[in-house]
Amino acid sequence: DAGVIQSPRHEVTEMGQEVTLRCKPISGHDYLFWYRQTMMRGLELLIYFNNNVPIDDSGMPEDRFSAKMPNASFSTLKIQPSEPRDSAVYFCASSPTSGRVTGELFFGEGSRLTVL
Amino acid sequence: DQQVKQNSPSLSVQEGRISILNCDYTNSMFDYFLWYKKYPAEGPTFLISISSIKDKNEDGRFTVFLNKSAKHLSLHIVPSQPGDSAVYFCAASGSQGNLIFGKGTKLSVKP
Repeated sequence: DAGVIQSPRHEVTEMGQEVTLRCKPISGHDYLFWYRQTMMRGLELLIYFNNNVPIDDSGMPEDRFSAKMPNASFSTLKIQPSEPRDSAVYFCASSPTSGRVTGELFFGEGSRLTVL
Repeated sequence: DQQVKQNSPSLSVQEGRISILNCDYTNSMFDYFLWYKKYPAEGPTFLISISSIKDKNEDGRFTVFLNKSAKHLSLHIVPSQPGDSAVYFCAASGSQGNLIFGKGTKLSVKP
């Protein structure tokens, strides 16, 4: 079975450019999460969706970050304009649910972003 | 302010010995705790979990202990193997269902 699929795996861009990260969750999973991993802060939750609806975006650093989930099989995380401090590994994860999420997430392999 | 804390960034253990990874949390409303394991260039993978109604959960070489009064949990790996070398993340879940992760502890198991 296919797991969570993220693209691109690696992205190098220059400051000021727009970056779009993509995620395909596991089919049938109702929850989708975007996390960012840095050395200083570890794994931070940026935003999560339930049935394509954003539930909590309090972790999104600032207005330069936006996330969408137009349908159950696709989500994007966009950074515009990008800055060097956005350099990190961005993970997408999905989870099944039967009412209340018990917490087990299935992560993709991550997108490593470097902003020069 | 971090709600889930892993105060040891790294741990080195000899093969065959016990590895103990620690985690503290501040929010008493957390009721489900998990450990994830992460290899380089891969996403984290679920390892073991424990509900707040229990104080111990065991799965093979891995055991998680929960001390609710101290708001502390630990992961024991016995015996440790070189393949266990990875970054281990502690995570907690509350009523909203989203997971809050610690910063991780890098475990190195030396042959």
